[in-house]
Amino acid sequence: RKEVEQDPGPFNVPEGATVAFNCTYSNSASQSFFWYRQDCRKEPKLLMSVYSSGNEDGRFTAQLNRASQYISLLIRDSKLSDSATYLCVINYGQNFVFGPGTRLSVLP
Amino acid sequence: EAGVAQSPRYKIIEKRQSVAFWCNPISGHATLYWYQQILGQGPKLLIQFQNNGVVDDSQLPKDRFSAERLKGVDSTLKIQPAKLEDSAVYLCASSPDNSYEQYFGPGTRLTVT
Repeated sequence: RKEVEQDPGPFNVPEGATVAFNCTYSNSASQSFFWYRQDCRKEPKLLMSVYSSGNEDGRFTAQLNRASQYISLLIRDSKLSDSATYLCVINYGQNFVFGPGTRLSVLP
Repeated sequence: EAGVAQSPRYKIIEKRQSVAFWCNPISGHATLYWYQQILGQGPKLLIQFQNNGVVDDSQLPKDRFSAERLKGVDSTLKIQPAKLEDSAVYLCASSPDNSYEQYFGPGTRLTVT
């Protein structure tokens, strides 16, 4: 089993839709969790950290389920500008492991 | 605030040649990372520096890859000799003390022919 797995995608959704991505991880010692966004041929940028209690930033909600070892990202009211690849990142000790990413295309 | 700088942005070399990439992190950031991102995959951590010391280089193919961060600021990543499978984007990132938030540079796109 890979260390970090994500929904394979791509997700093609209309503007205004709600979309959710999942990410599972295998190392139960994982300590910190993040969602990064990567536009085509650009560098990754931090979207949000994921806290145990769940957290929200505008239209974005991140949740962590330690028992089942997964994190999720919910995007409400999708915008065209949300089109990108979403990478989940797991940290344990000094290690950072990126998932393969889930590509989202928001269609007009 | 200036971001992470990398050069060159693009490089095309033939297999068995050598290549070097340069990274200048955000001023004051103690931690510096080098990642390899192959097309269609997520970035893979190659090496992590804390100031000028290596924290983790477990995934660095040490028979051909080397990296250094002299004086705890700039860093260089070298590949010698290159193989076709080294074709990828090489990303440098930095983060400040007491933070796991990583700021990435624009990357160097390497093509090995």
